[in-house]
This record gives sequence, structure tokens and C-alpha cells, in this order.
Amino acid sequence: NAGVTQTPKFQVLKTGQSMTLQCAQDMNHEYMSWYRQDPGMGLRLIHYSVGAGITDQGEVPNGYNVSRSTTEDFPLRLLSAAPSQTSVYFCASSYSGPTTDTQYFGPGTRLTVL
Amino acid sequence: QQQVKQSPQSLIVQKGGISIINCAYENTAFDYFPWYQQFPGKGPALLIAIRPDVSEKKEGRFTISFNKSAKQFSLHIMDSQPGDSATYFCAARSLGGGADGLTFGKGTHLIIQP
Repeated sequence: NAGVTQTPKFQVLKTGQSMTLQCAQDMNHEYMSWYRQDPGMGLRLIHYSVGAGITDQGEVPNGYNVSRSTTEDFPLRLLSAAPSQTSVYFCASSYSGPTTDTQYFGPGTRLTVL
Repeated sequence: QQQVKQSPQSLIVQKGGISIINCAYENTAFDYFPWYQQFPGKGPALLIAIRPDVSEKKEGRFTISFNKSAKQFSLHIMDSQPGDSATYFCAARSLGGGADGLTFGKGTHLIIQP
């Protein structure tokens, strides 16, 4: 199992550019999430999905879009990049049962917006 | 509104000592409390987790203490080692309803001095 994979590892964008951060998991997990990590802010939830075709907003969704066409993939789209979106982005997946919810995180994408 | 408050922000402990990180939460619907460990350049990884029907859970040198009435929980690392140097995040979520991911504390940067 590759677990949770993310591409690219690093990306530099100019203000106003758009791009898609890729996330894939091979564990057949229903739940997938995107977080951003900023110094002193911990991890904040951007969007999440409880299964293919179902997505919802987290704490900081503005400026980001997601879709979930398959169980495996959960891409995050930046529509018009802004310097405030400079951050490290983590994708996570989990099988959420009644007694446990281990979230598996990918290695992250470090994004800089100039 | 920060729903999980974590302290201290940074912590330096001598090798062999006990590291203690504290978290407090506000949402009484939370019923799953994991701790994540993150090394530089890596994604967070689940370290240990607890549900509120027990007051303590121990796994090796790592122990979670949970006080439901005070809405507080803490991570204790016994016999701390230099390899434990990392950033630790407490988190919380409600397993019973909603699937809106984990709410994280802001993290504690732990340094174990040899």
C-alpha cells in the first residue's frame, strides 16, 4: 500500500494563477480531508468528503474547490491564488467506524504564492 | 473560535525526563481525542488516542490522561528521548455525528535535550 500520496511536493505560483493539488489513497477509505498548516495555527480543515460524490466545507474553505468523483482521489483546486494561501497542505483519509477514526496523512505540498 | 486549546507552545525536556502537554476543549459533543506526532517535513501521524469512557490510556512510554468533567486531556511522555523531538498536536472530533474532520490544537514543539 502506498497510503496517501500527494503531488506536487513543492509549488510556487504567482498571484492569480490557478492550480490543482492532487491527493490519492489506496486504502479504500470513505473519508478524505484537506488541511492547511500555518506556523502557530496548527492544522485547519479546508474541505472534506464522506464518500464519492459528497463534499462539504470545513473551517477555512474560501478560495478552494474540491470534488470527489472516485473513492481514491480528492483533488484540491485553487481558483485564483493569493499570498494568504501560502501554506503547507495536507490530505488525509480515514475509515471512520463507530469506535475509531485513525486519519492517515499524506506527506504534504508546500505552496508559495508570490 | 478555537475549540481545542493546547499548551505549552514549546517545551524543552532533558533526556529521561517526563514531557507533559495539555489540551482543553469546549465542545461537549467531542468523543474521540487523538494525539498526532509530526517530524519536520512529514505529515502528522497518529500516536495514541482515547475515548472519554476511560480516564487513562497507555501505550509504551506514551500515556493520555483524560478528565471529562474538566474537559481536559494531556499527553505524558515518560523517559523522554531525543528521538521524541517533534511537534505534537492534540485533536478532537465527534464520531457520533457529522464527518467534518478533526479539530486540532495549535501544536507543541517538543525538544528533548541529550
